[in-house]
Amino acid sequence: GENVEQHPSTLSVQEGDSAVIKCTYSDSASNYFPWYKQELGKRPQLIIDIRSNVGEKKDQRIAVTLNKTAKHFSLHITETQPEDSAVYFCAASNDYKLSFGAGTTVTVRA
Amino acid sequence: NAGVTQTPKFQVLKTGQSMTLQCAQDMNHNSMYWYRQDPGMGLRLIYYSASEGTTDKGEVPNGYNVSRLNKREFSLRLESAAPSQTSVYFCASTLSGGFNEQFFGPGTRLTVL
Repeated sequence: GENVEQHPSTLSVQEGDSAVIKCTYSDSASNYFPWYKQELGKRPQLIIDIRSNVGEKKDQRIAVTLNKTAKHFSLHITETQPEDSAVYFCAASNDYKLSFGAGTTVTVRA
Repeated sequence: NAGVTQTPKFQVLKTGQSMTLQCAQDMNHNSMYWYRQDPGMGLRLIYYSASEGTTDKGEVPNGYNVSRLNKREFSLRLESAAPSQTSVYFCASTLSGGFNEQFFGPGTRLTVL
């Protein structure tokens, strides 16, 4: 099955700086890569996703890049704000199932 | 439009007791999922239902059973609860398959003593 590894497990950034989270996956057949944000005590919610026929996607302050050859994808958050503090999960899918990374706890320092 | 709902929100069981977690969605989604979330381990898939009438094992199915009651409802049953099943359980649904946004329910926090 698919194995997704996510780094780092924790990330502390100064407000206004950028944050980068990286994930690798094992199954070359995977072709859908979503990112979920989970605030403390809340449910995970999709923030951005990318499909294998696209190398980069951007939505305001967040962007995702995908390198299919190397089997890795990354989340970039620019101009971080306090409300960006949360746990972020990457995931990969090639059929009906999503395989999630272990999560990155992002703390934005004021 | 309530989205994905789960009951109960919290539950405490004793070892060996049984219980059923309920999940329902009102988005006319075909696929539904049950995950467990443990600290440092992300979301792990227990069972899923690709469409009404079908169910399949995920990554961690042992100790659980599921029922896709109809298109809206997907329940998770613990027949004989164990302390290792202490976790937060999330139900999710998606239009179809693994290539669309999954919408999560609010979660059930289960403690097994």
